Amino acid sequence: NAGVTQTPKFRILKIGQSMTLQCAQDMNHNYMYWYRQDPGMGLKLIYYSVGAGITDKGEVPNGYNVSRSTTEDFPLRLELAAPSQTSVYFCASTVPDDYGYTFGSGTRLTVV
Amino acid sequence: DQQVKQNSPSLSVQEGRISILNCDYTNSMFDYFLWYKKYPAEGPTFLISISSIKDKNEDGRFTVFLNKSAKHLSLHIVPSQPGDSAVYFCAARQIQGAQKLVFGQGTRLTINP
Repeated sequence: NAGVTQTPKFRILKIGQSMTLQCAQDMNHNYMYWYRQDPGMGLKLIYYSVGAGITDKGEVPNGYNVSRSTTEDFPLRLELAAPSQTSVYFCASTVPDDYGYTFGSGTRLTVV
Repeated sequence: DQQVKQNSPSLSVQEGRISILNCDYTNSMFDYFLWYKKYPAEGPTFLISISSIKDKNEDGRFTVFLNKSAKHLSLHIVPSQPGDSAVYFCAARQIQGAQKLVFGQGTRLTINP
């Protein structure tokens, strides 16, 4: 049972490049989330999804897009990378009425 | 506007003593509070939670206290062990909507031998 798997673990992007951060869970969780962690700032919610085909913006969605075509996968897309998107990105999942998210191990992204 | 605040970026405690991590919140609509523990290069892991209708929840060495009138919660670790050295995040859930969590900034706990 892998839990929540994030790929890649590390990535360096040039300004203006695009990339997709992958997130997959094998626990049949309905709810999935993307957070970013900046130093000293805690985790901020980017996007979330309550099921396949349903996504919504979180606190800091600008510059990102998501899709949820299956229950298992919740990729995060950066279209035009900016230095402000340098961060550690965490994907998480849970089920209704279970407050303990399962987090992936994170993707460390640097935009130069 | 930081709805969940952890005002201590770091805390150092001697092994065997009590560690107390604090968290304040501003939103009265939070109905559930959680603590997560994070080691370097790993994702956060769920530690303990408390409903807003309770004032204490205990799980082994970990106890969370909630003071609703002060909008304050704390995590007590007794006795502290070297493996407890990590970053601890306080989080809160709003009553409405998809179990989204709002996180504090985190407190780095170091347990000294």
